[in-house]
Amino acid sequence: DARVTQTPRHKVTEMGQEVTMRCQPILGHNTVFWYRQTMMQGLELLAYFRNRAPLDDSGMPKDRFSAEMPDATLATLKIQPSEPRDSAVYFCASGLGPRGGEQFFGPGTRLTVL
Amino acid sequence: GENVEQHPSTLSVQEGDSAVIKCTYSDSASNYFPWYKQELGKGPQLIIDIRSNVGEKKDQRIAVTLNKTAKHFSLHITETQPEDSAVYFCAAADSWGKLQFGAGTQVVVTP
Repeated sequence: DARVTQTPRHKVTEMGQEVTMRCQPILGHNTVFWYRQTMMQGLELLAYFRNRAPLDDSGMPKDRFSAEMPDATLATLKIQPSEPRDSAVYFCASGLGPRGGEQFFGPGTRLTVL
Repeated sequence: GENVEQHPSTLSVQEGDSAVIKCTYSDSASNYFPWYKQELGKGPQLIIDIRSNVGEKKDQRIAVTLNKTAKHFSLHITETQPEDSAVYFCAAADSWGKLQFGAGTQVVVTP
């Protein structure tokens, strides 16, 4: 059963600490998306990659957020330093890009910054 | 950029009745319209989608209609069951595959 996996599922940290979230896309998918979900803003696209190359990270605060794909099976989202306003659920999704269209979401990482 | 509006924000229906959620989009270049169901504590799950060359698509109790001229699309759930209770999101994708999501509809199906 192919699915997107994310770790950790929950993270509680203190303001100023570094947070790293990891995502394993579905094998064979060439497009990876990072979203943030909050009650106020809903689902927001932070960044996305195609064939491991960053295509768009305009939704991401550049001063503290960074996203990478070290290889085709791993995507990471880092926040350094974290702030209370970063508290949210972060989702990774993978797909086949415009050719396929479908995006499949992981279970999310619930981040709480105290 | 694309802007997707979704209505209603909450929808309460009796088990067995139908539920309809409507979305409008602004970018006429959008060509792919998925619907997601999100249960508490889980990620959004793709339940049905439609592409711009199709007007209607059905999968068992769910159906989606698309009116490209008016730039709106709708989700229809028939014979609702308690397990249909969740938050439903519509979305529109541009030619790059980027999705813009609606704000979501909380559906509550009461037995």
